[in-house]
Amino acid sequence: EIVLTQSPGTLSLSPGDRATLSCRASQSVISTYFAWYQQKPGQAPRLLIYGASTRATGIPDRFSGSGSGTDFTLTISRLEPEDFAVYYCQQYGSSRYTFGQGTKLEIK
Amino acid sequence: QVTLKESGPALVKPTQTLTLTCTFSGFSLSTNGVRVNWIRQPPGKALEWLARIDWDDDKFYSTSLRTRLTISKDTSKNQVVLTMTNMDPVDTATYFCARSLYSSNAIDIWGQGTMVTVSS
Repeated sequence: EIVLTQSPGTLSLSPGDRATLSCRASQSVISTYFAWYQQKPGQAPRLLIYGASTRATGIPDRFSGSGSGTDFTLTISRLEPEDFAVYYCQQYGSSRYTFGQGTKLEIK
Repeated sequence: QVTLKESGPALVKPTQTLTLTCTFSGFSLSTNGVRVNWIRQPPGKALEWLARIDWDDDKFYSTSLRTRLTISKDTSKNQVVLTMTNMDPVDTATYFCARSLYSSNAIDIWGQGTMVTVSS
């Protein structure tokens, strides 16, 4: 089973800052099957990025994804107050999904 | 509009079997490429994928939980049912059902989740 490790565990930034979140896989992942989700307290996760770099419907262009192989990155170019949440990476392989442990993006 | 909603008991006792139902609208599980998944999240912890059922009735389970899980669908009712046997307090979590599509395998639409507590 592929293990996804996200870093940092917590990221403290201010509105207007640029956020860079990382996800490293224990073995190579098919980029087509790599995604990022945002989750706010008491809510279900929301799909942000799929195929490693394609924004889901309705996702602002300040969110971007990149990476391949074992290293993937989610970048939020300019943080808005509503962006402070927990972010999860996810991969699909061997007909199963695994998720990272999450990065909490908090207001500094 | 695509929606999914989970239903089931809020409290189960240890060793009991949990049965959860996902009722969805806005899509059909008989359409080629459509899949419905179950994912759970213990309080304050990360997401854990549990199981998936496909439009063609293929079924897939978490490797670590496969002996305890059964997923099924009733296409006519637009429902997917998950059963988990031998419940334990560590299974206390919010359980989500969610759609994914064959084309991307991204989990694109999620239900609101239902909290299940395992306690005697």
